[in-house]
Amino acid sequence: DQQVKQNSPSLSVQEGRISILNCDYTNSMFDYFLWYKKYPAEGPTFLISISSIKDKNEDGRFTVFLNKSAKHLSLHIVPSQPGDSAVYFCAAKDAGANSKLTFGKGITLSVRP
Amino acid sequence: KAGVTQTPRYLIKTRGQQVTLSCSPISGHRSVSWYQQTPGQGLQFLFEYFSETQRNKGNFPGRFSGRQFSNSRSEMNVSTLELGDSALYLCASSFGLGTEAFFGQGTRLTVV
Repeated sequence: DQQVKQNSPSLSVQEGRISILNCDYTNSMFDYFLWYKKYPAEGPTFLISISSIKDKNEDGRFTVFLNKSAKHLSLHIVPSQPGDSAVYFCAAKDAGANSKLTFGKGITLSVRP
Repeated sequence: KAGVTQTPRYLIKTRGQQVTLSCSPISGHRSVSWYQQTPGQGLQFLFEYFSETQRNKGNFPGRFSGRQFSNSRSEMNVSTLELGDSALYLCASSFGLGTEAFFGQGTRLTVV
């Protein structure tokens, strides 16, 4: 039972354009969401997060939007750069004193120069 | 500030053997979690330790175990290795329970 879904395995965008990475979840107990970026042979790097009490969080070129009613979140990268090419994981945490993250299977983003 | 350090980076073991992986968290972080990454299953939670106590456990067989020491360093052990245990094992540290997790580079385990 996959509780966090990233249905598109890959995305290709032109440098300078917007990249939109989508994520859906099924567990209503999730109240905190994170995006991680991963290069091959490295561990995931934390990018940005959002609490369920918000619907938007912005950090530089990265913005995460949360639609609780649809159980959907998205990561926007504007403008996209070739160095953004990596695998992006959406992760969720439930309300509780624990650090357990449930991950999606990842989206491979390719930014074309 | 040093990041999360995992050793060794690469390991090759034979079926039936056991293996111990090590993780040193970011200084000051007291929570350590372990994840297994495989091509088919993605990143899956193994367990979490805080103040030397296991706080949470994922859906893995008892062959997978771990511990945390008083300095917050953690080890995970896999006994009676199977071919399917070949994976990237990632350790993540957090300041406290429920805060952002920062990952190490992982240990690539290959079981032959």
